[in-house]
Amino acid sequence: EAGVTQSPTHLIKTRGQQATLRCSPISGHTSVYWYQQALGLGLQFLLWYDEGEERNRGNFPPRFSGRQFPNYSSELNVNALELEDSALYLCATQLRGRGPYNEQFFGPGTRLTVL
Amino acid sequence: QKEVEQDPGPLSVPEGAIVSLNCTYSNSAFQYFMWYRQYSRKGPELLMYTYSSGNKEDGRFTAQVDKSSKYISLFIRDSQPSDSATYLCAGTYGQNFVFGPGTRLSVLP
Repeated sequence: EAGVTQSPTHLIKTRGQQATLRCSPISGHTSVYWYQQALGLGLQFLLWYDEGEERNRGNFPPRFSGRQFPNYSSELNVNALELEDSALYLCATQLRGRGPYNEQFFGPGTRLTVL
Repeated sequence: QKEVEQDPGPLSVPEGAIVSLNCTYSNSAFQYFMWYRQYSRKGPELLMYTYSSGNKEDGRFTAQVDKSSKYISLFIRDSQPSDSATYLCAGTYGQNFVFGPGTRLSVLP
């Protein structure tokens, strides 16, 4: 069974541009989480989508946004890119309703570089 | 204070050594604690998760949680060069997953 996939693998943008990152979940997974992993800071929670709705967002400005499509794939958009947005962006998906602990499965990430 | 803290390393050990990786946390709401392994240029993969205080063993890996002191540990026995990676600890409550910054481990042949 295919795992979580993300595209593109690498993305290079200049300051002020917009970036779009994509995530395809494992078949049957309905929840998608987005994380930012900047050097030395660990994974910072960005957004959580479930059943097409945004359920929670982390402490990031509104220029970080996204959506979830009817097939449960998801898109993360970052507008007005800043140098400090350079990071690895990870998507994790989850099968809902499996009890109190529900494992997240991570994709390989998209490396965003802002010049 | 960050909710989950861990020493970023890097930690270098010889092959066959016992490795101890540690985290502290501040959020008493955490219900589950996890250890993830992340190889270079890859996404994190779950190694182990545990709920209660005490030890949980899986092969060469043992996870230990002490809720009274808010301390989480991962022990790796007979470490191998293939264990070289960044190890992330995390706590979760509800649908909130909070990760530490990770400890970079190198096991030298």
